[in-house]
Amino acid sequence: QITLKESGPTLVKPTQTLTLTCTFSGFSASDSGVAVGWIRQPPGKALEWLALIQWDDDKRYSPSLKNRLTITKDTSKSQVVLALTNVDPVDTATYFCAHRLYYYDSRGYIRMSLSAFDVWGQGTGVTVSS
Amino acid sequence: QSALTQPRSVSGSPGQSVTISCTGTSSDVGGSDYVSWYQQHPGKAPKLVIFDVTKRPSGVPDHFSGSKSGNTASLTISGLQAEDEADYYCCSYAGGFSVVFGGGTKLTVL
Repeated sequence: QITLKESGPTLVKPTQTLTLTCTFSGFSASDSGVAVGWIRQPPGKALEWLALIQWDDDKRYSPSLKNRLTITKDTSKSQVVLALTNVDPVDTATYFCAHRLYYYDSRGYIRMSLSAFDVWGQGTGVTVSS
Repeated sequence: QSALTQPRSVSGSPGQSVTISCTGTSSDVGGSDYVSWYQQHPGKAPKLVIFDVTKRPSGVPDHFSGSKSGNTASLTISGLQAEDEADYYCCSYAGGFSVVFGGGTKLTVL
């Protein structure tokens, strides 16, 4: 059974760096096909994809936030960490980490579903305010 | 990379069918077989209900179905039930292992 849980500060001051940790179980971050993503949701607003890290340490970022985001993984600790620099009140949101879906086809080949996150953490609320 | 366009709200009576559209471009929805849909109840994490345009994860009822034509993907919920009332988000692969979400649609069951 795959589970993920986000942790981090609930209140951050403007211009500071927000660091969030996703601790997971039920898979290894180094297994072929595995990817963990971060998605956020401002209060009353839509989901926004932020970043993704794959099993081979390939990292991808939202173009609009690329210069402020860093995603890393620690396979031994079963954790993925997201850092967002120079935060602003508009970064106030619930931040989710999620496992990207992959499956094996009829011939035994691994198939990654490139937009499907099948297991999500409960989310962690972050407020940016002085 | 702009958000995909969804209607702000849709509604239907129990037992009826509703369809939620999701319009993108040839760089995302139109050029991808990787469109997914998420259901989100208030205060909860999103739940995957459709992936790869038409596939349902195990455990998702078969009254949820997905389709795509050109740059527009659609989620159809047939036989509406009270528990289907939620926010729904589409999501598409946008190249370079990145994804983009839609603006969300609030489904009201009358």
